[in-house]
Amino acid sequence: QSALTQPASVSGSPGQSVTISCSGTATDVGGYNYVSWYQHHPGTAPKLIIYQVNSRPSGVSNRFSGSKSGNTASLTISGLQAEDEAYYYCSSYTSSSISVFGGGTKLTVL
Amino acid sequence: QVQLQESGPGLVKPSQTLSLTCTVFGGSIGRGDYYWSWIRQPPGKGLEWIGYTYYSGSTYYNPSLLGRVSISMDTSDNQFFLKLNSVTAADTAVYFCARAAGWYGKAFDYWGPGALVTVPS
Repeated sequence: QSALTQPASVSGSPGQSVTISCSGTATDVGGYNYVSWYQHHPGTAPKLIIYQVNSRPSGVSNRFSGSKSGNTASLTISGLQAEDEAYYYCSSYTSSSISVFGGGTKLTVL
Repeated sequence: QVQLQESGPGLVKPSQTLSLTCTVFGGSIGRGDYYWSWIRQPPGKGLEWIGYTYYSGSTYYNPSLLGRVSISMDTSDNQFFLKLNSVTAADTAVYFCARAAGWYGKAFDYWGPGALVTVPS
């Protein structure tokens, strides 16, 4: 099972929006609405910010939104804030009944 | 509020077995639609899913680790365990335990703080 494909880095200025893509295959991202996204500040535990493609857990800002088209999922962060600077990972359930992560994307707030 | 905490040796010699324990507080691991999981992050790299055990006792593993990895649980102590055999320096990582909820589409909603395990080269 190969890792999902994410861009290594993205950047944006405060107040702008950025989108992070997560590409998989028909046996993972494309086959299930079981894509989740995590925010990770180094040295801490990752935090779930999106589950089932586009749902937010309680307490997560509505500046975070998710979507999916075919084998590619996307995370959009609107109204960028300094505290959004972190690593972001996607994950998907797969047809083999296992989970797989993306390689991670470093978001820099300029 | 569910909390998870990893514990175990921080240094493991090459070719030996890495053993970690995750203790769960605030919820029973023997009930509910939950997958009790291990995930690791090597230095400077991304997250890698290792495997999970379902509350029924079924287990699922990363194919790249098959043959070396074992995950088990002890419902009486509310703990689950990771064993990784024949370790090398490539197994050096921060190891996280986490809970994946079935109704969240198997998203990992609670995580431990992580435990660094070093395998010297």
